[in-house]
Amino acid sequence: DIQMTQSPSLLSASVGDRVTLSCKASQSIYSSLAWYQQKLGEAPKLLIYSANSLQTGIPSRFSGSGYGTDFTLTISSLQPEDVATYFCHQYYSWPLTFGSGTKLEIK
Amino acid sequence: EVQLVESGGGLVQPGRSLKLSCAASGFTFSNYGMAWVCQAPTKGLEWVASISTGGGNTYYRDSVKGRFTISRDNAKNTLYLQMDSLRSEDTATYYCARRKGGGAGFDYWGQGVMVTVSS
Repeated sequence: DIQMTQSPSLLSASVGDRVTLSCKASQSIYSSLAWYQQKLGEAPKLLIYSANSLQTGIPSRFSGSGYGTDFTLTISSLQPEDVATYFCHQYYSWPLTFGSGTKLEIK
Repeated sequence: EVQLVESGGGLVQPGRSLKLSCAASGFTFSNYGMAWVCQAPTKGLEWVASISTGGGNTYYRDSVKGRFTISRDNAKNTLYLQMDSLRSEDTATYYCARRKGGGAGFDYWGQGVMVTVSS
């Protein structure tokens, strides 16, 4: 199974900050990576797919990068509504796996 | 508008069965692969099972193989998860999710249904 490791597990930042979340795969997944945002009590929402493609309707302050085993989700200017837990997900091979999440808080 | 609405959750004793349903609307259901993803209380996301557009191909995580069965009825626009021999560790919120075109993740999710396995 491909293990997905996210860091940090908890991130506290100020409104307007540039925020970077990391996700590492235990083996190459090429660009088969998605990022999801999950707010408290809600279902996950797809933000990024194919490592760097922005899902329709998602604000442009969100961006993704990376290839192979190392991936990054960046929020260019943190907004209060971005408080959530963020999960990465590999769909390169079965079983599909998710990272354990990064909880993002406002300082 | 794409909608996925799960039902069928509840409290069940260990060893018993439960069948979840997911009613889809707002898109051509038969054109999309579908999946179930679960989330134990205060935990992360865990993929459970996936099914191809026609239902001919199914995939499961190891811990549910032989106990859970994913299926679909394209005429009824409905996805199912038959859960047998339930264990306490199956306790979670179960989400129905649509596989994005090209298989690039899950682009729509239901609101989730809670399954509690306890005596």
